[in-house]
Amino acid sequence: DAMVIQNPRYQVTQFGKPVTLSCSQTLNHNVMYWYQQKSSQAPKLLFHYYDKDFNNEADTPDNFQSRRPNTSFCFLDIRSPGLGDAAMYLCATSGQQGAGETQYFGPGTRLLVL
Amino acid sequence: GENVEQHPSTLSVQEGDSAVIKCTYSDSASNYFPWYKQELGKRPQLIIDIRSNVGEKKDQRIAVTLNKTAKHFSLHITETQPEDSAVYFCAASSFSGGYNKLIFGAGTRLAVHP
Repeated sequence: DAMVIQNPRYQVTQFGKPVTLSCSQTLNHNVMYWYQQKSSQAPKLLFHYYDKDFNNEADTPDNFQSRRPNTSFCFLDIRSPGLGDAAMYLCATSGQQGAGETQYFGPGTRLLVL
Repeated sequence: GENVEQHPSTLSVQEGDSAVIKCTYSDSASNYFPWYKQELGKRPQLIIDIRSNVGEKKDQRIAVTLNKTAKHFSLHITETQPEDSAVYFCAASSFSGGYNKLIFGAGTRLAVHP
């Protein structure tokens, strides 16, 4: 059974056209993360929510925003996608924010910017 | 900032041989070390993890060792099979910016040849 679900799996957008990626989870986890992964690279953390508390990485561009309307859902908004934003976007969850908490990844959304 | 170095970046073995991937980390406070396997186009999947209160953990053909003094940990895969071919990421927990997060290594591409 899918525990971390991402939709769509593939997203094509135009340069500068806003796009929203979605993530949902059935684990009732408190923490949800968004990562960007480019080809042959490690996942790069963009931001995360601990409940409603939003934490942005210092080097995450302002072009990226996130919303978490409830425990189950989290959205990644890219306000003006550039060619450099083409990547796999991974959502992950963990039960708590503690150091030993396992992160569970969704299948990812591959974003293509034309 | 904190970082995790992973070696080698690529590893090619014959089926049945063993494979070893090594990581070193910089944050002496790190106490959680997961390993993820990522097949092409798929999500990173947790395959094994170790916490700082143990030095070794084994799960069938996979084992992880941890040396906190030297700040390094390793993944060992025995009797490799073609389906072990994937990219493997190590990670270390780190408390940064007021919360815990995972710092990923750059990944190792493992190819197991029949």
